[in-house]
Amino acid sequence: AQSVTQLGSHVSVSEGALVLLRCNYSSSVPPYLFWYVQYPNQGLQLLLKYTSAATLVKGINGFEAEFKKSETSFHLTKPSAHMSDAAEYFCAVSDPGANSKLTFGKGITLSVRP
Amino acid sequence: DAGITQSPRHKVTETGTPVTLRCHQTENHRYMYWYRQDPGHGLRLIHYSYGVKDTDKGEVSDGYSVSRSKTEDFLLTLESATSSQTSVYFCAIGEQGARNEQFFGPGTRLTVL
Repeated sequence: AQSVTQLGSHVSVSEGALVLLRCNYSSSVPPYLFWYVQYPNQGLQLLLKYTSAATLVKGINGFEAEFKKSETSFHLTKPSAHMSDAAEYFCAVSDPGANSKLTFGKGITLSVRP
Repeated sequence: DAGITQSPRHKVTETGTPVTLRCHQTENHRYMYWYRQDPGHGLRLIHYSYGVKDTDKGEVSDGYSVSRSKTEDFLLTLESATSSQTSVYFCAIGEQGARNEQFFGPGTRLTVL
């Protein structure tokens, strides 16, 4: 069975500071990995995905994530936070052969201080 | 944005009443999913469909049923709503061969009094 761990429920950074949101996964097979963002009162939007190509994945809005198999991690980073990055972020894992089902982490709320 | 709509967007109902939520897509995707989102739990899969009339249970399927009579529509039914089913419900779609990427609808906020 797959699982995703997102440690902590809330991260607060200053505008212009580095954003680091952690995600660790467990999977019995090489997984697909995703980061989604949810703005208030909206659905989820795909930020980026890892599907066994390059281990450093670039997404929208300046975010990127690195797949590290040895650490079973897929942490999300952005060099400089912007006020508009305030949202909830979800990491998700999928078994490539599993009817496209995703397993989500509990989510992390990012706050950005002026 | 992927063409996914959910109706209703908000609903308040009473315990014991039946409720049906509708997800409609215009993308002709094979897979459709229903999730619920609750604070501290992230998104949890309720049911999913891998084709017309083909459905299967997810992680939290008790108290829910689904139907898919045509490609574009996926219905979620609460036969007898309970307060524990107060939640935000999201529909998602995906396509075979698309490396499991899913696209999400805007959500339905359901309150069971």
